[in-house]
Amino acid sequence: LAKTTQPISMDSYEGQEVNITCSHNNIATNDYITWYQQFPSQGPRFIIQGYKTKVTNEVASLFIPADRKSSTLSLPRVSLSDTAVYYCLVGDPQGGKLIFGQGTELSVKP
Amino acid sequence: GAVVSQHPSWVICKSGTSVKIECRSLDFQATTMFWYRQFPKQSLMLMATSNEGSKATYEQGVEKDKFLINHASLTLSTLTVTSAHPEDSSFYICSATSGRGGETQYFGPGTRLLVL
Repeated sequence: LAKTTQPISMDSYEGQEVNITCSHNNIATNDYITWYQQFPSQGPRFIIQGYKTKVTNEVASLFIPADRKSSTLSLPRVSLSDTAVYYCLVGDPQGGKLIFGQGTELSVKP
Repeated sequence: GAVVSQHPSWVICKSGTSVKIECRSLDFQATTMFWYRQFPKQSLMLMATSNEGSKATYEQGVEKDKFLINHASLTLSTLTVTSAHPEDSSFYICSATSGRGGETQYFGPGTRLLVL
């Protein structure tokens, strides 16, 4: 399973754009890249998933370069409620297991 | 999006007793469910993979006789912590996937277990 590396923590201010980069150098051909958000004492919440290039939904964008060895989660105009731990995972979504790394603890300040 | 529920949301039990946690996929059929545990300030640790109608596959270091997993239907998996001890106190989270191409895993809200 591909191992992921993310910054342990990041600070930001309300209204700013936040970009969290994840490295996954040994990603496999069948692996997708998925990002989750977790608040204390809650299960992870799906944010976005992609395979290559760029994916955008109503809450975030995911940028994946051609070599797929890294990915960047972009959160536009963060608010205080975006303070959470963000996990980047790679794996085969067809029933494949996901191994969580340490995640990035994002702190959004007023 | 897909909804996964867990019951109970929290449970307190005495040492030596067994506790059952249910995980349900509410609006889709889950061919595969996963069980995780999470200690305070730590990441999620995968315990086992459960496929409907077959035996669960446990991760290295997880005692299969202590953490009994049953995936009897496409919408329900259960985790039973047998002879619970204080060190089993943790946050248990399940996830489910339909297994279709490109389908991701959806997580339940978690169950807080406290063993006294």
